[in-house]
Amino acid sequence: EDQVTQSPEALRLQEGESSSLNCSYTVSGLRGLFWYRQDPGKGPEFLFTLYSAGEEKEKERLKATLTKKESFLHITAPKPEDSATYLCAVQAEDDKIIFGKGTRLHILP
Amino acid sequence: NAGVTQTPKFQVLKTGQSMTLQCAQDMNHNSMYWYRQDPGMGLRLIYYSASEGTTDKGEVPNGYNVSRLNKREFSLRLESAAPSQTSVYFCASSFRGWNTEAFFGQGTRLTVV
Repeated sequence: EDQVTQSPEALRLQEGESSSLNCSYTVSGLRGLFWYRQDPGKGPEFLFTLYSAGEEKEKERLKATLTKKESFLHITAPKPEDSATYLCAVQAEDDKIIFGKGTRLHILP
Repeated sequence: NAGVTQTPKFQVLKTGQSMTLQCAQDMNHNSMYWYRQDPGMGLRLIYYSASEGTTDKGEVPNGYNVSRLNKREFSLRLESAAPSQTSVYFCASSFRGWNTEAFFGQGTRLTVV
């Protein structure tokens, strides 16, 4: 069965304390893996698409990486404005999109 | 630059009532989607429209119908609302398929009592 698991469910960090969020997946034929940021009361906002193992993408303090079984979203020296829920989604070979439940990130000033 | 606009933002329905959630995008996107988001669960696809004139069922289509009115608009209809349909509904669009960046609306918070 295709599935996406994100961990941890919630993470509290001090401002400046770097960490990583995990997205592990089991799908038949990965076509793409997507990271989104969602603020309370808002729709998800696109961050990255990764297509193949070894690929990396960066945006400001965020860096996404991909292996054959999981993806990491690395947050370097986070700021309070990075607080949000981060969603991971994968696209299987049948084009089905599966979302994880998300990681709620809270950065303390 | 509005992006994806959903109306209404909030709605309370009584069991058995019907309503239509509206979605419009101004980015000339071909593909549009309706998702629901429930606490403790990932976003789940209700229906999608790969291009104007086509619609397909997603993971949880029961109790819903959709209309791709034109390239810009994609509506979701609840014919007879049930408490299990209490959720936050998101519309999204992308240029062509999910591999192109998808943009989401602000969501509609629906409560069925």
